[in-house]
Amino acid sequence: EVQLLESGGGLVQPGGSLRLSCAASGFTFSKYAMTWVRQAPGKGLELVSAISGGGGSTYYADSVKGRFIISRDNSKNTLSLQLNSLRAEDTAVYYCAKQPEYEYYYHMDVWGKGTTVTVSS
Amino acid sequence: SYVLTQPPSVSVAPGQTATIACGGNIIGIKSVHWYQQKPGQAPVVVVYDDSERPSGIPERFSGSNSGNTATLTISRAEAGDEADYYCQVWFTSSDHLVFGGGTKLTVL
Repeated sequence: EVQLLESGGGLVQPGGSLRLSCAASGFTFSKYAMTWVRQAPGKGLELVSAISGGGGSTYYADSVKGRFIISRDNSKNTLSLQLNSLRAEDTAVYYCAKQPEYEYYYHMDVWGKGTTVTVSS
Repeated sequence: SYVLTQPPSVSVAPGQTATIACGGNIIGIKSVHWYQQKPGQAPVVVVYDDSERPSGIPERFSGSNSGNTATLTISRAEAGDEADYYCQVWFTSSDHLVFGGGTKLTVL
């Protein structure tokens, strides 16, 4: 069974940092692009970042460019998102999601349950 | 930037057909994907590439895309279909992904 399990969320002060992780299982991790999608309380979905299967191509939403860093360790089947210079508007549930192809130009076919990030003083 | 426009809410009687629109400039030339999200749960893809249905998704869910509007159609609506629905498009030319604002489907 394909599974994605996020971890690392929590309460952080504005300007602080946090590292999210996503443990993948049930599929050949290195063959597929991965994404981070967030959802602020009561709001819609926003793609935060994406990375190709080998890690050579990455995408960032304008709202996080220069502050967040996506990475993957294919030897450990793990996706990560480093969140720096956090702002109140980064408060959201962060979902890890798999794409069905090596590159990230497709849909998200499997989602994790999400991890909550709260930025507040 | 590209915008995908969805109605905030749609209501349908049980057993009837619900249609949820996703509007965007010449969206008909793009691949549109649809997600269902129930309260407190992660999204689930119900239609991808305009009209393809993942395994496990009932045939009652279908999609179409032409001109400036993509449409998700839910036939024989059930109470369990109540959820938020989001459309999504990748713009490879500008390397940009857009979600619609979401539509809350009520079955009453």
